[in-house]
Amino acid sequence: EVQLLESGGGLVQPGGSLRLSCAASGLTFASYAMSWVRQAPGKGLEWVSIISGSGASTYYADFVKGRFTISRDNSKNTMYLQMNSLRAEDTAVYYCAKDLRNWAGAFDIWGQGTMVTVSS
Amino acid sequence: EIVMTQSPATLSVSPGEGATLSCRASQSVSSNLAWYQQKPGQAPRLLIYGASTRATGIPARFSGSGSGTEFTLTINSLQSEDFAVYYCQQYNNWPPLTFGGGTKVEIK
Repeated sequence: EVQLLESGGGLVQPGGSLRLSCAASGLTFASYAMSWVRQAPGKGLEWVSIISGSGASTYYADFVKGRFTISRDNSKNTMYLQMNSLRAEDTAVYYCAKDLRNWAGAFDIWGQGTMVTVSS
Repeated sequence: EIVMTQSPATLSVSPGEGATLSCRASQSVSSNLAWYQQKPGQAPRLLIYGASTRATGIPARFSGSGSGTEFTLTINSLQSEDFAVYYCQQYNNWPPLTFGGGTKVEIK
């Protein structure tokens, strides 16, 4: 069974940093692109970033470009999201999601999410 | 950026009845459209991809149709576990990958 487990969320002050992790099991991790998708409290889903299976290609939503960095360590079956210069509007549940194929852009497996709260 | 618009925002349905949810794209996304179901406090779950292909383990009462800019998710004979929020998402022209605002299916 494929499982994704996020960690690293918490309370951080505006301007601060946080690193999220997504540990995967039950799949050939390097074969799939992975994404981060977030959901602000009471709001809809918002795609944040994607990384290819090899890690060579990455894309970001405009609202995080230059502040967030996605990466992965295929030897550890883990993906990361380094979040810097955090703002109140970054407050959300952050989900990691497995690509349906490599680089399809649809998501067939999701983690349970980790909450990030940006507040003073 | 392709904007995805879902309607209605809320749909009130009695158990056992059917429901039809709509999703419109601001430009053609071919058949590269997915539907997700999300229940309170849970992660989204993939229902449909390729506009009409059910994901693994999804009951046959869920069906998707459409191509280009107009898409429909149909749920036949709603069960209690189907009351949830449904999102469409395009993956034809990205980045960015974009979601609709969601349709909440509630008990009438």
